[in-house]
Amino acid sequence: EAGVAQSPRYKIIEKRQSVAFWCNPISGHATLYWYQQILGQGPKLLIQFQNNGVVDDSQLPKDRFSAERLKGVDSTLKIQPAKLEDSAVYLCASSYLAISAENEQFFGPGTRLTVL
Amino acid sequence: AQTVTQSQPEMSVQEAETVTLSCTYDTSESNYYLFWYKQPPSRQMILVIRQEAYKQQNATENRFSVNFQKAAKSFSLKISDSQLGDTAMYFCASILFGNEKLTFGTGTRLTIIP
Repeated sequence: EAGVAQSPRYKIIEKRQSVAFWCNPISGHATLYWYQQILGQGPKLLIQFQNNGVVDDSQLPKDRFSAERLKGVDSTLKIQPAKLEDSAVYLCASSYLAISAENEQFFGPGTRLTVL
Repeated sequence: AQTVTQSQPEMSVQEAETVTLSCTYDTSESNYYLFWYKQPPSRQMILVIRQEAYKQQNATENRFSVNFQKAAKSFSLKISDSQLGDTAMYFCASILFGNEKLTFGTGTRLTIIP
């Protein structure tokens, strides 16, 4: 079974530029998560999708971050314009169902973003 | 709100020894799950072990076991017969029953010394 795929693996941009990350979850997983992991900290949930609907985006900085999950499969996370403090690893995760907390979340390798 | 605290930023242990990673959490809820995740260098995060709060028996997975003290809100991870492949960041995390939002601690960097 293929795991969660993310691209690119690394991205370097200058502040005020735009960037987009892509995630392909495990086949059949209805729930998709985007996390931000700043160096030295644990991952923080940015947004959660159930199929193609948003379940929780309470910690997404909506003035600059946006995310979509078309057709309930792949997802993209965009930052426009980027700030220095956006430098982090962006992790995508998926789970089969979100009804029960016991459903394991499977993580992708992450995209390391550096904003100069 | 949930909070998860890991007070050991870094630990190191000789190969084959036993090591215990500490975690405390705070929640007012009675139904929740606790997890330990492992994040090896430049590799993706994987689930190591899971504990349901309503179960009194401590979870075990091969060389990994937990000491779950519900009253003290403590959830430590014990790694027995440590191996070089155990070198990684370890994150403690919690999730409330019916809420799929994982709350992570700040992690413990574990190094296994040959």
